[in-house]
Amino acid sequence: DAGVTQSPTHLIKTRGQQVTLRCSPKSGHDTVSWYQQALGQGPQFIFQYYEEEERQRGNFPDRFSGHQFPNYSSELNVNALLLGDSALYLCASTRGAGGPREQFFGPGTRLTVL
Amino acid sequence: GDSVTQMEGPVTLSEEAFLTINCTYTATGYPSLFWYVQYPGEGLQLLLKATKADDKGSNKGFEATYRKETTSFHLEKGSVQVSDSAVYFCALRKSSASKIIFGSGTRLSIRP
Repeated sequence: DAGVTQSPTHLIKTRGQQVTLRCSPKSGHDTVSWYQQALGQGPQFIFQYYEEEERQRGNFPDRFSGHQFPNYSSELNVNALLLGDSALYLCASTRGAGGPREQFFGPGTRLTVL
Repeated sequence: GDSVTQMEGPVTLSEEAFLTINCTYTATGYPSLFWYVQYPGEGLQLLLKATKADDKGSNKGFEATYRKETTSFHLEKGSVQVSDSAVYFCALRKSSASKIIFGSGTRLSIRP
C-alpha cells in the first residue's frame, strides 16, 4: 500500500518565479493538507482540500493556491516566489474532512528560492 | 490563539539514558495531542497520541500522558537508543478542526 507521495523531491527557483508541487494521497484517502516547514521550525498549516474545494486555510497570502483533482491528488502553487518561501513543503492525507482521523505525511518537497 | 511550546534543543544523551522532552499547550476546548518524529531526510511520522485528559499514549517505548490540569504532554522514554536520534514535534489538533498545530521541534541526538 503506497503511502503519501510527493514530487519533486527537490526544487530550486529564483525570486519572482512560480512553482507547482504535487501530492498523491495514501490509498483510500480523500483529503489533502499542505504544510510549510521552514528550517528549524515546526510545520505551519497552509490549507486543506476536500471534494476538490479548499476547506480550511492558514495564515498564508494569496500567492499560495492549490487544487485537488477528481482522483484526490493535489497541487500546491506558489506565485511570485520570495526568499522566505524556501522551506520543506509537506503534504498530508486523511480520510474525510475534520474529525480526529490520523493524517499521514509524505516525505516533502524541499524548495530553495535563490 | 492555540499554540504548542516545547523545550528547545538540541538534546544530547548517552545511549540507555532516560529521556524527557517537555511540551505544554494553549488551546480552548479539548484538543487531541500528538508527538511526531522526523528522521533525517524523511517526512513526519506519528509517534503517539492521546485524545482526552489522563490518556497515556505509548509506542516504541515512548510514553506521554495528557495532563489537562497542567496543559502538558511531556514525552518520556526509559532507555534511549542511537536509532532514536531525530527531531520530535509536539502537536495538537482541535476536535472540531482538522489542521494540526505544531511546536517548533526538539532535536535529539543519542551518542553510543
